[in-house]
Amino acid sequence: DAGVTQSPTHLIKTRGQQVTLRCSPKSGHDTVSWYQQALGQGPQFIFQYYEEEERQRGNFPDRFSGHQFPNYSSELNVNALLLGDSALYLCASSPQDRGINGYTFGSGTRLTVV
Amino acid sequence: AQSVTQPDIHITVSEGASLELRCNYSYGATPYLFWYVQSPGQGLQLLLKYFSGDTLVQGIKGFEAEFKRSQSSFNLRKPSVHWSDAAEYFCAVGAPPGGYQKVTFGTGTKLQVIP
Repeated sequence: DAGVTQSPTHLIKTRGQQVTLRCSPKSGHDTVSWYQQALGQGPQFIFQYYEEEERQRGNFPDRFSGHQFPNYSSELNVNALLLGDSALYLCASSPQDRGINGYTFGSGTRLTVV
Repeated sequence: AQSVTQPDIHITVSEGASLELRCNYSYGATPYLFWYVQSPGQGLQLLLKYFSGDTLVQGIKGFEAEFKRSQSSFNLRKPSVHWSDAAEYFCAVGAPPGGYQKVTFGTGTKLQVIP
C-alpha cells in the first residue's frame, strides 16, 4: 500500500518564478493538507483540501494556491517566488470520515529559491 | 487559537539513558494530541496520539506519552534511548473529529544521542 507520494523531491527556482508541487494521497485518504517547513522550524499549515475545495487556510498570502482533483491528488502552486519561500513542503493526507487518526506525511519537496 | 510549545530546542542524551521531551499545548476544549518524529530530509512519522481515555498512551518504537490536563502537557518519554532515535520530534495539537482537521505543530526538539 503506497503512502503519500510527492513530486518532485527537489526543486530550484529563481525569484519571481512560479512553481507547482504535486501530491498523491495514501490509498483510502480523501483529505490533503499542505505544510511549509522552513529550516529549523516546525511545519506551518498552508491549507487543506477536501472534495476538491479549499476548506481551511493558514496565514499564507494569496500567492499560495492549490487544487484537488477528483482522484484526491493535489497540487500546490506558488507564484512570484520569494527567497523566503525556500523550505520543505510537506503534503499530508488523512481520511475525512474517521476524524483525526493522525496524518500520513509524504517525504516532502525541497524548494530552493535563488 | 490552538498552539503548541516545545521549550527544549535541543537535547542530548547518552545511549541507554531515559528520555523525556516536553510539550505544552493551548486549546479551548479537549485536545487531540500527537507526537511525530522526523529524520533528516524526511517527512514526519506518527509516533503516538491521544484522543481520550487512558492518559498514558503507548506508541511505536517504545515511546509513550502522558496527557496531563491540569498542566496542559503531553510529554514524550522513552525508558532507554537507542542511537537510531536521534531525530527531531514534533508535538502537535488538532481539532476534534467532525470539524476541520487542521493540526498545529510545535517548533520541534532535536535529539542527539551520544555513545
